Amino acid sequence: GEDVEQSLFLSVREGDSSVINCTYTDSSSTYLYWYKQEPGAGLQLLTYIFSNMDMKQDQRLTVLLNKKDKHLSLRIADTQTGDSAIYFCAERPASGGYNKLIFGAGTRLAVHP
Amino acid sequence: DGGITQSPKYLFRKEGQNVTLSCEQNLNHDAMYWYRQDPGQGLRLIYYSQIVNDFQKGDIAEGYSVSREKKESFPLTVTSAQKNPTAFYLCASSIESQGRDTEAFFGQGTRLTVV
Repeated sequence: GEDVEQSLFLSVREGDSSVINCTYTDSSSTYLYWYKQEPGAGLQLLTYIFSNMDMKQDQRLTVLLNKKDKHLSLRIADTQTGDSAIYFCAERPASGGYNKLIFGAGTRLAVHP
Repeated sequence: DGGITQSPKYLFRKEGQNVTLSCEQNLNHDAMYWYRQDPGQGLRLIYYSQIVNDFQKGDIAEGYSVSREKKESFPLTVTSAQKNPTAFYLCASSIESQGRDTEAFFGQGTRLTVV
């Protein structure tokens, strides 16, 4: 089956690193994504990783993929108050025939001084 | 600027009424999607369309209907048959292509409340 799980809440101090974790079940997933949602807004793609990679770095963002354990993480270095938002993990299974995305429930990141 | 626009931002509906949410994109994308977002849950797919004049049910299509008469537009109607319509609705679009990554672009959402 298809399922994506994330913890619902994370609180960090400004300047620290944040690590948001996600597990997925579909081993055929070709791409895995991290989206950011600010209050009352749509989703914005932050980064993605192809399933044959184990790490991707993009400025303050580092994505780690453990394909064996079906575990994905997003690390935000030097977390700022502007990073406060909900972060969604999503997988794109190879089957399905269209650009189908399966989303987790989202992790609400709260950054405090 | 290219993008995807949803309207209205807020919508109130009386019980028993149908209501239509608008979604327009000028990105020349073939594929469009409607998702529903409830607190503490991920996005759930209502309907999707890969091409004009064609659409498919997603995971929670009951009580909803769509049309795709133009490439740019994919309106969603929430009918009176939808028992719990209060939610945040998100529209998205993407290039329809398999075998490579295709980013989904999201609108700003419509918050529907039944009063």
